Amino acid sequence: DIQMTQTPSSMPASLGERVTISCRASQGISNYLNWYQQKPDGTIKPLIYYTSNLQSGVPSRFSGSGSGTDYSLTISSLEPEDFAMYYCQQYDSSPDTFGAGTKLELK
Amino acid sequence: EVQLVESGGGLVQPGASLKLSCVASGFTFSDYWMSWVRQTPGKTMEWIGDIKYDGSYTNYAPSLKNRFTISRDNAKSTLYLQMSNVRSEDTATYYCTRETYYGYNPYFDYWGQGVMVTVSS
Repeated sequence: DIQMTQTPSSMPASLGERVTISCRASQGISNYLNWYQQKPDGTIKPLIYYTSNLQSGVPSRFSGSGSGTDYSLTISSLEPEDFAMYYCQQYDSSPDTFGAGTKLELK
Repeated sequence: EVQLVESGGGLVQPGASLKLSCVASGFTFSDYWMSWVRQTPGKTMEWIGDIKYDGSYTNYAPSLKNRFTISRDNAKSTLYLQMSNVRSEDTATYYCTRETYYGYNPYFDYWGQGVMVTVSS
């Protein structure tokens, strides 16, 4: 299975701050990477698909980039509703695998 | 509005079987691949497997293939996960998800609220 190393595991940040979350795959995944957000109530929604495509309805402050083994999710200016868990997911090779998650916390 | 509502979870003894259900609404269920994903108490996400829109093909995580079975009833817009010989490490919240495609690139565009399964004697 492809291992996804997601960093950091937690990140204290302030409103208005720019933050970046990273995922490194154990082998190249050809941009086959998605990002999800999980709110404290457990609700999960997609943010970014195929590395850099913004899901409909997701604010433009979210963006994704990367290639090869290294990918990132950037939030340009944190809003109160962005404090949540974030997960990357690769689908280059079955089984799909997820990163361990990043908890974005209010500093 | 797309809704996915899981049910069937609870406390189950090791070695027992359990069947989860997910009732879908707000879209044409028979048009979509569907998946199950679980989240452990430590927040680790694990893909369990998926099923083709017509039920003719399933794909599983190798570690779960021998114990878990995914099926669907398109007439009832319902997805199922049959779990057998459950173990303590199966304790998790189980999510039903809809797969959608951007070209050939799949992602989970809708998730249920999740159903908890606790395996303990």
